[in-house]
Parts: sequence; structure tokens; C-alpha cells
Amino acid sequence: DVQLADSGGGLVQSGGSLRLSCTASGFTFSNYVMGWVRQAPGKGLEWVSAISGSSDNTYYADSVEGRFTISRDNSKTTLYLQMSSLRAEDTAVYYCTKYPLVRRYFDYWGQGTLVTVSS
Amino acid sequence: DIQMTQSPSSVSASVGDRVTITCRASEDLGNRLAWYQQKSGEAPKLLIHTASTLQRGVPSRFSGSGSGTDFTLTISSLQPEDFAIYYCQQANSFPLLTFGPGTKVDVK
Repeated sequence: DVQLADSGGGLVQSGGSLRLSCTASGFTFSNYVMGWVRQAPGKGLEWVSAISGSSDNTYYADSVEGRFTISRDNSKTTLYLQMSSLRAEDTAVYYCTKYPLVRRYFDYWGQGTLVTVSS
Repeated sequence: DIQMTQSPSSVSASVGDRVTITCRASEDLGNRLAWYQQKSGEAPKLLIHTASTLQRGVPSRFSGSGSGTDFTLTISSLQPEDFAIYYCQQANSFPLLTFGPGTKVDVK
């Protein structure tokens, strides 16, 4: 079974940094694009970032470009999101997501990890 | 960017009811649309992709239809476990896969 385990969330002050992790199992991790989607409290879903299987290509939403860095370690089947210069509006549950080969939706999601940025 | 809208924003229904949710895109998506279900406190779950293809393990009471800019999610006979928020997602412009605002299905 595919499993995605998110971790690393917590309370951080505005301007601070945090690194999220997502440990994957049940599929050949290096073959798939992976990403992050977030959900602010009581709000909808927002795509944040994605990375190709070989790490050759990374993608970011305008709202996080230049502040967040996505990466992966295929030997550890782990996805990361390094978040810097955090703002109150980054407060959200962050979900690790797996794309299928067609890359047109998210077929599996982690359980989510809450990031709270205090101002 | 492609904009997504959903209607209604919420619907009150009873077990056994037929529920229909509509999603509209600002551009032609062909059949590149997905639907997700999110229960309270849980991660979203993929229900349907490519407008009408049921994800493995999803009950057959869920169905999707439409193409172009107008899409529909139908629950043929609402079950107690179906009370949730439903999101559509356009799949036309990797990597920027945007979601609709959601439709809450709650108890009448």
C-alpha cells in the first residue's frame, strides 16, 4: 500500500524557518513527481510546490517562490519542504502529495502537518 | 491562471438523496478534471480523475461527467459516510493544478 507520512510542522515566529519531511513507502519513489499542497484553517486547497522524480525540475506557486525550497532524497524515499521567511499567511496544514505518471492530479496524500506562524 | 468555481457552496441532504455538484472552469479543460472528498480532520481523497474515471476502491454511487468547462459530480444515493467537502481540481496546466472552492454536503 502507498503510504505518505508527513512530519516537521510546528509553531514558528514570523520570519522564521521550518523544514517539513514526508517519508514515502509502497511505490518506486524515484519514478514519480511529488509535491506539497496546503490548506489554511477553514479554507480551501492550494498547490504549493512540486519536484520531478530525478530532482531536475522544481516548481513553486507565486505565493512561496523565493522563500520555499522543495527537495527529495530518493535513497531515503523522503520529500522535503524547506520554508523560510515565514509569514502569518503561511499558516496551514501542509500535505505531501504523490502525482501519478500522467501528473494531472494527486492520487495519494499524506495525513498533513500543521504549520503555525505567529506574528 | 485557470479559475475554478463550484456550485452550490453547500447543500443539505438526507441519506438516500441524489446529490449533484457542479464545477466550472474559466478555460477549456477537455476531460482533465479531478474530484476529491475531504472529511473533517482528514486529508483529501481522490474520487474521480479524467472527469469520469472512478479511482480504485471508490464506491460506484459516485460518478463524474462533463467536458470542456462544465463538470458534474453525482452521488446517486447519499450514505452517512459521504457527508464531507468536495473539491474539483483542474488538471490542464501542470504544475499549477488549482482547486475549486469546495462544496460542503451536510445533514438536512
